[in-house]
Amino acid sequence: SQTIHQWPATLVQPVGSPLSLECTVEGTSNPNLYWYRQAAGRGLQLLFYSVGIGQISSEVPQNLSASRPQDRQFILSSKKLLLSDSGFYLCAWKIAISYNEQFFGPGTRLTVL
Amino acid sequence: GNSVTQMEGPVTLSEEAFLTINCTYTATGYPSLFWYVQYPGEGLQLLLKATKADDKGSNKGFEATYRKETTSFHLEKGSVQVSDSAVYFCALSDQGKLIFGQGTTLQVKP
Repeated sequence: SQTIHQWPATLVQPVGSPLSLECTVEGTSNPNLYWYRQAAGRGLQLLFYSVGIGQISSEVPQNLSASRPQDRQFILSSKKLLLSDSGFYLCAWKIAISYNEQFFGPGTRLTVL
Repeated sequence: GNSVTQMEGPVTLSEEAFLTINCTYTATGYPSLFWYVQYPGEGLQLLLKATKADDKGSNKGFEATYRKETTSFHLEKGSVQVSDSAVYFCALSDQGKLIFGQGTTLQVKP
């Protein structure tokens, strides 16, 4: 069966510090991968998605970037965090070439102080 | 563009009450429709889905029917439990991505 992992689970970082969040998927090959942000009391905002190694699409201009160095690894980064980067970050995957559901990881709670 | 609209929350119900959370969508073509549930501090879990008009998705006592004529996918449950307290998201598929509604918080009191 497939599983998706995210770490860390919780992170507190000062403004201006760098960020690296990691997401890995097990039990599937060539998945589509997604990064979402959920601000407090708000819905989900799609940040990035990837259909393959090295292929990243950005949905909104922002202070963040994403990379996919391996088939089942998706990384969210920032060189300098802003207060507005605080939120709950969710990684998700789905079977490529399908219109089916996405499966979500447990999330990372990021607080920027 | 495609979009999803959910009823505003929070929705507060007593245990064993009937639940309806409204969801309407705007889409070109025939998207798949989904309901996800998010428990406090956790990621989203797929609750149910429907892939074509008149399909009924169901799981754990929850149901939703894909209504093309009214562009709706309302979530229902006949008798809610305290453990159903969570945030519920309606979503549609759009070229490999999901478009989510804003979420509806459900609070069930004993």
